[in-house]
Formats: sequence, C-alpha cells, structure tokens
Amino acid sequence: QVQLVQSGAEVKKPGASVKVSCKASGYTFTSYYMHWVRQAPGQGPEWMGIINPSGGSTSYAQKFQGRVTMTRDTSTSTVYMELRNLRSEDTAVYYCARVRQSAHVFPVDYWGQGTLVTVSS
Amino acid sequence: QSALTQPASVSGSPGQSITISCTGTSSDVGGYNYVSWYQQHPGKAPKLMIYDVSNRPSGVSNRFSASKSGNTASLTISGLQAEDEADYYCSSYTSSSTLVFGTGTKVTVL
Repeated sequence: QVQLVQSGAEVKKPGASVKVSCKASGYTFTSYYMHWVRQAPGQGPEWMGIINPSGGSTSYAQKFQGRVTMTRDTSTSTVYMELRNLRSEDTAVYYCARVRQSAHVFPVDYWGQGTLVTVSS
Repeated sequence: QSALTQPASVSGSPGQSITISCTGTSSDVGGYNYVSWYQQHPGKAPKLMIYDVSNRPSGVSNRFSASKSGNTASLTISGLQAEDEADYYCSSYTSSSTLVFGTGTKVTVL
C-alpha cells in the first residue's frame, strides 16, 4: 500500500531554514508527481509546489519562489522540501502529497502524516 | 492566486442533504474540469472525496456527489451522518499550472 512517511516536528528561529523529508513506499517512486502543501493553524491548505521524482523538475508557487527548494533522492525514494529565511507566518503543518494517477499532476490523493514546523524566537 | 471562495459553515440534521459551493474564476474552476474536494477531520490529513469535478475514488460513499456550473463547483452530501462532520476544501488546477485550494467549509451535523 502507498505510504508517505515524513520527518518529525521542527522548531526554528526566524531567519533559519528547515528541510522536511518524505519517504515513499508501496509504489514506483519515479512514476508519480509529488506536491507539497502546507496548512497554517486554523487555515486552509496552501499549495507550495510540485516535483517530478523522475527527472527532478519542479514548479513552485509564486509566493515561495526564491525561498523554497524541492529535491528528490531516487535511491531512497525520498522527496525533500527546504524552506529558507523562515518567519513566524511559516508556522504550519507541511504535507507531502502524491498524485492519484501516474503521469498526471492533479489531483493529490495520498498524503503524508504532516510535519509541524514552528517558527519562534 | 486567490483562494477559492467557500461558505465558512454549513449545517444539517442527520439524514438531510447539504450543498457546499466553491467559487473561482475562469482561470481555475471555470476553465478546467480539474476540481477536487477534500474532507479533513481535526488533526488529520485531507482525504480525497471527489476528483475531476464529479468522480468518486473507490471507497468513498455514494452519498457524496459533486458538479460544476461556470465558475462555481458544488459538493452535495446526502443522508448526512455524524461522521460527515468535518472541514471540506475544494481545489482546482489553474491557468498558471498551479493548484489553488478553497477557504474551507465547516460542516456541522446538528
């Protein structure tokens, strides 16, 4: 069965960086796009970007351009999301989410358990 | 990209039907048949309930149905049950090749 297991909660100071991992199993890693979505406390989900695990190509939401980098390691079936220059507004649960069908970019179907990132001085 | 507009809350009694709207623009909801709906219980990840406007993944109750007209998509829950109490979010593909989510609707079963 498809499983996405994310790294644990993080506490960071403003200006720092965070790197969240998402290890996939139960399917062919390189055949399905992966999205990153975050959700601030009490808010709706917010799309951050997408990565193609096959070639590593990425597309980011304009809001995060220049601050986010998504990468993958095919040897371990893991995708990563690094967010730099953190501010308090970045406090949120960060999810990786796999698309439903191979070679499709939408919709997202399988979700990781979420990683809480807290930014506080 | 602005979030899609949903009513903040909708409520209904057990057995009743409720409908949640999701309003966007011609650059997202109105421009593509790529609207999805997610159910989210507190502390849990969202769960896909509807994709491509009106398709249900296997395992999702047929009490959930959806449609789209112009720039507005709608999710209907019929035969409302206590377990349906949750937050619901719509999502759409956009002309910028991005995804956008709705503002969310809290469904309360009275």
